Amino acid sequence: DTGVSQDPRHKITKRGQNVTFRCDPISEHNRLYWYRQTLGQGPEFLTYFQNEAQLEKSRLLSDRFSAERPKGSFSTLEIQRTEQGDSAMYLCASSPDIDTQYFGPGTRLTVL
Amino acid sequence: GDSVTQMEGPVTLSEEAFLTINCTYTATGYPSLFWYVQYPGEGLQLLLKATKADDKGSNKGFEATYRKETTSFHLEKGSVQVSDSAVYFCALIPFSGNTPLVFGKGTRLSVIA
Repeated sequence: DTGVSQDPRHKITKRGQNVTFRCDPISEHNRLYWYRQTLGQGPEFLTYFQNEAQLEKSRLLSDRFSAERPKGSFSTLEIQRTEQGDSAMYLCASSPDIDTQYFGPGTRLTVL
Repeated sequence: GDSVTQMEGPVTLSEEAFLTINCTYTATGYPSLFWYVQYPGEGLQLLLKATKADDKGSNKGFEATYRKETTSFHLEKGSVQVSDSAVYFCALIPFSGNTPLVFGKGTRLSVIA
């Protein structure tokens, strides 16, 4: 069990650029979640996959955000035309059941 | 909607002091309740959980009891160590399951020797 991994760990970009983050869940976990965490706040849900199907999206996920999990394994989160308000820690979690979620180390995005 | 309210920090304690971090929730039905911990520079780690009323979750000397009558899930530890310094998050998954965690804002704990 290697845990949930995320890449990159840090990303600095200029406003207006596109960025893509990757999450590799624990193998055999069919549920995968994306959250966003800003300074001094708890994580907020963005979207959720069961296998390759995207089952739920938060209203936080504007049209500039898109997520995929094409083969039910790794997932990508893309942000187009980044804004300074997108600066945050992006967390991925995977789960083998309906209760317990295991988190990766996160990708810290800074938009200049 | 479902929500979690935690006591605001930061909390500063001396080593070996007793710790309580209060957490109350608002949810329909019977949610599952969790405490996650985030050590400096690391990701969130599950500390303990309870899935039904009166259950007690415990791990690494930490305990929390699911109290339906007071809608609470307070975190306690009898004797904290410097290594317990971290941010602690209370969270729930609604009764319907298969849905994301709803987190509180977190409580930062600093333990001084």
